[in-house]
Amino acid sequence: AQTVTQSQPEMSVQEAETVTLSCTYDTSESDYYLFWYKQPPSRQMILVIRQEAYKQQNATENRFSVNFQKAAKSFSLKISDSQLGDAAMYFCAYSWGGGADGLTFGKGTHLIIQP
Amino acid sequence: DTAVSQTPKYLVTQMGNDKSIKCEQNLGHDTMYWYKQDSKKFLKIMFSYNNKELIINETVPNRFSPKSPDKAHLNLHINSLELGDSAVYFCASSPLDEETQYFGPGTRLLVL
Repeated sequence: AQTVTQSQPEMSVQEAETVTLSCTYDTSESDYYLFWYKQPPSRQMILVIRQEAYKQQNATENRFSVNFQKAAKSFSLKISDSQLGDAAMYFCAYSWGGGADGLTFGKGTHLIIQP
Repeated sequence: DTAVSQTPKYLVTQMGNDKSIKCEQNLGHDTMYWYKQDSKKFLKIMFSYNNKELIINETVPNRFSPKSPDKAHLNLHINSLELGDSAVYFCASSPLDEETQYFGPGTRLLVL
């Protein structure tokens, strides 16, 4: 069974600085997908970024980028120029892409932005 | 326009009651899901449906029964509610050939 581990229950960063959230996963599949979702206090689950395992290039979305290390099964999220609106729970998630597959989530990292 | 909607957003009920949560998506997606988020914020897949057919049924008590009347709707019916059913329930959908899932706003269920 696939597992996703987020080892940082909570992280804190000063506004405008950069923070990296860690995620590791375990799978025997060679083709799969990885995601970072953000859950602000409103509890809405918002997709931040996605990465296909067959792509070597790291995904980026504006201030958000990932460091995908397939051999190490690591998928960290870097947030640059942190803003107050980035404060939220961040969930790393895995899908093996078999169709109608549920996401396997990590336990989440609570990100605090210090003004 | 709301992409994935759920009703109600909040549900407070007594132990032993039966309740339903409705989910609708207007994205034209073929696959829909139900997730449970517990008090520690852990999210776990409960069910997935592809074109009205049940695909995934994780180890969920049979008091939980999903119903998909059509491709755009996936409702969750819960019988004989227990205290441990208190959680936030999320509906999600995804296109057939894409793994990205789009979530509804969640339904907070509190069983007293």
